[in-house]
Amino acid sequence: DTEVTQTPKHLVMGMTNKKSLKCEQHMGHRAMYWYKQKAKKPPELMFVYSYEKLSINESVPSRFSPECPNSSLLNLHLHALQPEDSALYLCASSQEFTSGSSYNEQFFGPGTRLTVL
Amino acid sequence: GQNIDQPTEMTATEGAIVQINCTYQTSGFNGLFWYQQHAGEAPTFLSYNVLDGLEEKGRFSSFLSRSKGYSYLLLKELQMKDSASYLCAVCTDKLIFGTGTRLQVFP
Repeated sequence: DTEVTQTPKHLVMGMTNKKSLKCEQHMGHRAMYWYKQKAKKPPELMFVYSYEKLSINESVPSRFSPECPNSSLLNLHLHALQPEDSALYLCASSQEFTSGSSYNEQFFGPGTRLTVL
Repeated sequence: GQNIDQPTEMTATEGAIVQINCTYQTSGFNGLFWYQQHAGEAPTFLSYNVLDGLEEKGRFSSFLSRSKGYSYLLLKELQMKDSASYLCAVCTDKLIFGTGTRLQVFP
C-alpha cells in the first residue's frame, strides 16, 4: 500500500462548527505533515509529526489543532474557522523526518477541499 | 529569508522539449525536489537532487548547481497530460515550496 488517504474529500462548514480532517498511511512512515494550499499557490507547511510527536508548528492559529493518535493516523481538528481558512488541506508522509540532514521523499494524499462560510 | 523563484506560466507544443528553471536562496540546503501537481490533485514526486549534476528519469531530467542556487526540470517529448503545475521545493530543516510553474501543452 503506497497511498496516503484523506477524508473527507470536500467539507463545507460554518464559522461556529467543529469538524475534523483525517489522514491515514500504511507505509510504515514515521513522519506525517499537514499543508495548506490556496488556489494557484504552493503548499504551505502547517505541522510536522515525527514518531507521533509534534516536531514543527509553523505558528498556526490555535483554531487548527493537530492530533496523531498512532503512527498511521493524523487528524486536524477545526474550530471557529474564518472564511480565509478556505483552502485545500494536504496531508503527506515520509519515512523519517530528520532536521538538518538528508530528506525523505514526501507522499501526498489527495487533499480535503475546505470551504468556510 | 527563504526565496525560491520559478516562472509563473509556460506554454509548449506536444512533442517539444521544455525547461523549467528554479532559483533559490535558502538558509541551509539538504536537497531539491521537483513535484508535479495537476489541478485539484495532490503533488506527486518527480525527482530529487542533492549533488550537482543531471538526474535522468525517462522523459524527465533534473539538474542542480548548488554554487549557483539553480535547478531546472527538463521535460522531453511533451504530451498533453504533462499540462500541470511543476513545483520546485528545497529541503532545509523542512520542505519549502517555490511559487510553482503552470505548464500548458498545446496540440
